[in-house]
Amino acid sequence: DAGVTQSPTHLIKTRGQHVTLRCSPISGHKSVSWYQQVLGQGPQFIFQYYEKEERGRGNFPDRFSARQFPNYSSELNVNALLLGDSALYLCASSSDSNQPQHFGDGTRLSIL
Amino acid sequence: EDQVTQSPEALRLQEGESSSLNCSYTVSGLRGLFWYRQDPGKGPEFLFTLYSAGEEKEKERLKATLTKKESFLHITAPKPEDSATYLCAVLDEGGSYIPTFGRGTSLIVHP
Repeated sequence: DAGVTQSPTHLIKTRGQHVTLRCSPISGHKSVSWYQQVLGQGPQFIFQYYEKEERGRGNFPDRFSARQFPNYSSELNVNALLLGDSALYLCASSSDSNQPQHFGDGTRLSIL
Repeated sequence: EDQVTQSPEALRLQEGESSSLNCSYTVSGLRGLFWYRQDPGKGPEFLFTLYSAGEEKEKERLKATLTKKESFLHITAPKPEDSATYLCAVLDEGGSYIPTFGRGTSLIVHP
């Protein structure tokens, strides 16, 4: 079975631009979460969706938004990119709230 | 506020030299504790879930244990391929479905 897949794997943008990152969860998983990870730190929670409804939002500005589609795939959008948005963006899926999350290999976003 | 603290931040071992990584947590109630392994440039890879104090899980050279305040990841006779960052995450039973991650322990095993 395919794991969590994310696209693109790498992305280079300039300040002020916007970006859309995509995630396909493991088949049968209805929960998708997005995390930001900078070097030397653990993943920082951005959003969680379950059955297409937002279940949680982390301490990130309104420039960050996300949605989940009927097939449970998800998009993370970031507007007005800042240099500090450079990071590895991880998507994770799980079958329900008590089960572990399974991660994709992330999108490496670099802002110039 | 939930807190998850991992120690040490970094650990260097010789091949075959057993050791333990620590994850201490402060939550109102534990719904679950998860261990992950992360290789450079990759996403975290799920290793274990622990739900209650006294529980233990094993996989090859790794063994995870849980008490009411902390979890240990024991590495027995490590090999260079065990080199990675090990992350701990805690799920609070207080109504949130979002796990809190520690900062990880970077493990390097020298041949």
